Amino acid sequence: EAGVAQSPRYKIIEKRQSVAFWCNPISGHATLYWYQQILGQGPKLLIQFQNNGVVDDSQLPKDRFSAERLKGVDSTLKIQPAKLEDSAVYLCASSLDRQEAFFGQGTRLTVV
Amino acid sequence: TQLLEQSPQFLSIQEGENLTVYCNSSSVFSSLQWYRQEPGEGPVLLVTVVTGGEVKKLKRLTFQFGDARKDSSLHITAAQPGDTGLYLCGRSGGSNYKLTFGKGTLLTVNP
Repeated sequence: EAGVAQSPRYKIIEKRQSVAFWCNPISGHATLYWYQQILGQGPKLLIQFQNNGVVDDSQLPKDRFSAERLKGVDSTLKIQPAKLEDSAVYLCASSLDRQEAFFGQGTRLTVV
Repeated sequence: TQLLEQSPQFLSIQEGENLTVYCNSSSVFSSLQWYRQEPGEGPVLLVTVVTGGEVKKLKRLTFQFGDARKDSSLHITAAQPGDTGLYLCGRSGGSNYKLTFGKGTLLTVNP
């Protein structure tokens, strides 16, 4: 069974530029999560989808971050404009039962 | 807000030693997951505990769920360098089944 796919693996941008991350979850998993992880810390939930609907985005900085999950499968997370403090690893995960999550390898973003 | 408290935050030990890391909360869990994250990778699920007092073993790793389902521990016997990583506990809670994590315990096992 294929795992969660994310791209790109690495991205370096200048502050105030925009960036987008893509995620393809495990087939059949209705729940999809985007997390932000600062080095050495636990993942922080940014947004959670159930199929193509948002069920939690309480910690998403909505003035600069946006996410969508069209057709309830793939998802994109966008940052516009990026700030230095957005430098982090962005993790996508999916779940069949909303208990156990399966993660992709993540995208390491560096904002300079 | 992090509702899961993990301790210790950092742990550096020698190969062959035993160790225990902890995950605590003021609220009751319906279930709790433990993950391990290696550098440059996403977290990988190790185990789910559901029943109060439950003990699960995965080779040299022993997971315990507290009787009151508010705490959990992970014990590693005879640690090896391959056990190095960030150990995370996570729980799904609330009406939206929001999946949140503790800050993790960063374990380094030195050869």
